Amino acid sequence: RKEVEQDPGPFNVPEGATVAFNCTYSNSASQSFFWYRQDCRKEPKLLMSVYSSGNEDGRFTAQLNRASQYISLLIRDSKLSDSATYLCAEADSSYKLIFGSGTRLLVRP
Amino acid sequence: DTGVSQDPRHKITKRGQNVTFRCDPISEHNRLYWYRQTLGQGPEFLTYFQNEAQLEKSRLLSDRFSAERPKGSFSTLEIQRTEQGDSAMYLCASSKDRGRGGEGYTFGSGTRLTVV
Repeated sequence: RKEVEQDPGPFNVPEGATVAFNCTYSNSASQSFFWYRQDCRKEPKLLMSVYSSGNEDGRFTAQLNRASQYISLLIRDSKLSDSATYLCAEADSSYKLIFGSGTRLLVRP
Repeated sequence: DTGVSQDPRHKITKRGQNVTFRCDPISEHNRLYWYRQTLGQGPEFLTYFQNEAQLEKSRLLSDRFSAERPKGSFSTLEIQRTEQGDSAMYLCASSKDRGRGGEGYTFGSGTRLTVV
């Protein structure tokens, strides 16, 4: 079983839609979690950290569910510019990041 | 300092040749990481340094791969006797200490390796 698992998608949604991604992790001792955005043939860029109490940044909301060992990312009012691959990552005991395979989002007009 | 810098951006090499990539991290970052990313996959951890010490190496890092960070600043990743399966994007990232507190990592633009 992979340490971090994501649905690869693609999620194909119209502009203005709300879309949610989940990511499961296997290491119950993991302390920190992150969502990264990666555009085609570009490097990943930090979108937001995921705190135990949840985290909201504009249209983006991240949640952590330790009991079920998953993190989620909710995007409200999707924009065309949100089209990208979204990578979730956990920091292991040495605080190196372990990434999922990514979820591809396509926002159509 | 404008971020993490990687060189070259692209490298095409013949199978069996050696290649070396360079990464210059953000100056105040003491941790430096190497990842490999193939199409449709997330970045896979290869190795990381804290200052000049290489603290961990992935099983993915075969004996053909070696990484150095001689003075705790820039790092090099060398692949000897390249194989077609080495074709991938090689990403370098850096962080201050463990990158906690929501900082995560900052990635460079990557070196895209094609082995023909």
